[in-house]
Amino acid sequence: SQELEQSPQSLIVQEGKNLTINCTSSKTLYGLYWYKQKYGEGLIFLMMLQKGGEEKSHEKITAKLDEKKQQSSLHITASQPSHAGIYLCGAPSVSGNTPLVFGKGTRLSVIA
Amino acid sequence: ETGVTQTPRHLVMGMTNKKSLKCEQHLGHNAMYWYKQSAKKPLELMFVYNFKEQTENNSVPSRFSPECPNSSHLFLHLHTLQPEDSALYLCASSQGTSGLTDTQYFGPGTRLTVL
Repeated sequence: SQELEQSPQSLIVQEGKNLTINCTSSKTLYGLYWYKQKYGEGLIFLMMLQKGGEEKSHEKITAKLDEKKQQSSLHITASQPSHAGIYLCGAPSVSGNTPLVFGKGTRLSVIA
Repeated sequence: ETGVTQTPRHLVMGMTNKKSLKCEQHLGHNAMYWYKQSAKKPLELMFVYNFKEQTENNSVPSRFSPECPNSSHLFLHLHTLQPEDSALYLCASSQGTSGLTDTQYFGPGTRLTVL
């Protein structure tokens, strides 16, 4: 079965700094979703990447999909306290027609 | 506000109790999901419903019983739970069940504690 490994597991950055979170798949990636979760709450959809080399941005968050490396990265520029939370990646299974598998998440803290 | 609501937000129950979790989506979607989120584990898919029909049961113990009366509502009936069932239970919905095109939108979750 497919597994997604996220790194780092947790991250503490100073406000204003840039950071990158990675999501690596054990199998070929046919697409990749990024979600953000505030502690104890639901997941908020950030963006979805469908093609190798695709890059999407939303405000100060940019995500890229590297098909060959079976990896996606999420980059936050000039981090703010509002960026704090848990970032989860999710991917369709190999067949693509069954629901997502998720990584364990990366916990981001932003300190002033 | 994602268009998916869950009630209650918090629930404490004894091992002999019977309770139900409710999920409602206002997005006009056809598919609904139950997930379990435990500390330090990936999100675990429990059940999938598409057009009110259960399409996936991820080997969930029978003490969890889902019900989907229509495409907008999903319930999870709980009975004789164990302490290890304590977790955040998340509901999600999507237009269809294609992992390639159908983005899932999540509710805020129900924090369940089993004593």
